[in-house]
Amino acid sequence: QKEVEQDPGPLSVPEGAIVSLNCTYSNSAFQYFMWYRQYSRKGPELLMYTYSSGNKEDGRFTAQVDKSSKYISLFIRDSQPSDSATYLCAMARGGGGSNYKLTFGKGTLLTVNP
Amino acid sequence: DAGITQSPRHKVTETGTPVTLRCHQTENHRYMYWYRQDPGHGLRLIHYSYGVKDTDKGEVSDGYSVSRSKTEDFLLTLESATSSQTSVYFCAISGSGTLDGYTFGSGTRLTVV
Repeated sequence: QKEVEQDPGPLSVPEGAIVSLNCTYSNSAFQYFMWYRQYSRKGPELLMYTYSSGNKEDGRFTAQVDKSSKYISLFIRDSQPSDSATYLCAMARGGGGSNYKLTFGKGTLLTVNP
Repeated sequence: DAGITQSPRHKVTETGTPVTLRCHQTENHRYMYWYRQDPGHGLRLIHYSYGVKDTDKGEVSDGYSVSRSKTEDFLLTLESATSSQTSVYFCAISGSGTLDGYTFGSGTRLTVV
């Protein structure tokens, strides 16, 4: 079993839909949970990160972490065509200062249709 | 990408030849990382550095070596390139104390023929 599992999709939704993206993980040592957005032929850019369990909201994006179930989610409200990209979940152990060695999911390709 | 530059952006090389990819940062961050991205595998850590001349292996380090002689430069070398090393290589930097500062470069697309 891989440490981080993510459904690669592809996922296609109409503009304005609520999008739910998910990852599961097996390593209970993970403390930091991140979502990256990657446009075609670009580097990943950090959308949000959460430390430990709980919810975090930033505009149209909400990240949720359930450590008891080893499950994380990213919700996108009022999705826009500009949200079309690959979304990567990533995780890191704590205790390393600023040394974060990230473990990634495979990424989910999202297309938002106008 | 602000503060981090990868070169070259694209490279085609022959099997068996050595290849060096460069990552240059202007953020003065302590930590630098090399990842590779392949379809069906996502991003995987190759090597990382926690200071000048201080490096360590990541998940997929076989066939790769790294060097960091200056804070701003982190080099990834494929000693003898193989077709399995055809990939997109990303450099990342970290050091601001939070994950907000974890930044990726634009990538180097390497093809080994």
